[in-house]
Amino acid sequence: DTEVTQTPKHLVMGMTNKKSLKCEQHMGHRAMYWYKQKAKKPPELMFVYSYEKLSINESVPSRFSPECPNSSLLNLHLHALQPEDSALYLCASSNRRVGSTEAFFGQGTRLTVV
Amino acid sequence: AQSVAQPEDQVNVAEGNPLTVKCTYSVSGNPYLFWYVQYPNRGLQFLLKYITGDNLVKGSYGFEAEFNKSQTSFHLKKPSALVSDSALYFCAVRDAGSARQLTFGSGTQLTVLP
Repeated sequence: DTEVTQTPKHLVMGMTNKKSLKCEQHMGHRAMYWYKQKAKKPPELMFVYSYEKLSINESVPSRFSPECPNSSLLNLHLHALQPEDSALYLCASSNRRVGSTEAFFGQGTRLTVV
Repeated sequence: AQSVAQPEDQVNVAEGNPLTVKCTYSVSGNPYLFWYVQYPNRGLQFLLKYITGDNLVKGSYGFEAEFNKSQTSFHLKKPSALVSDSALYFCAVRDAGSARQLTFGSGTQLTVLP
């Protein structure tokens, strides 16, 4: 199983809503990532979890709150977002061993903030 | 510091012709280099990587890339393009001696014309 599964695929939310994005992998990877991607642009790293601990936060606004409940799951909690937060949100995971360092990406959640 | 450049925003090629998508990089130490492909409204899909060893790397779907240390390049190639290869291609680099995460290039839109 080389899949990273993200739900939902599409999400429309108002600026006062609270919602969560979910990501799951069963490859035994111990590093998991959230990226934000605007159209035709490269992914921008938001957060990195390593062994279920937050290791990198790329100065992301507090309206985005990550959570890693266990080694297979990664959540991104959203609250009071702005229209400019509309984007494709990608989850990824990787094996930390040297020589096997590619990341596997989910298909993303297309988020629209209205 | 690490960086990667994809000098062409758009590459057009006729079906059946060879294709090249260019990538150059800059790292302080040894590079880990990756190519990813992204189809519309989908996540990134891993194509191939260079970690060490043979400079010619073969990947998925008939793609290959050549690591050239003197020219700091890692161009993606395919001998005979298919219309289905039309997609957005990202080169990415990570400094092997660094704790930094992947740096993505700006992306190249490949269009294969029938």
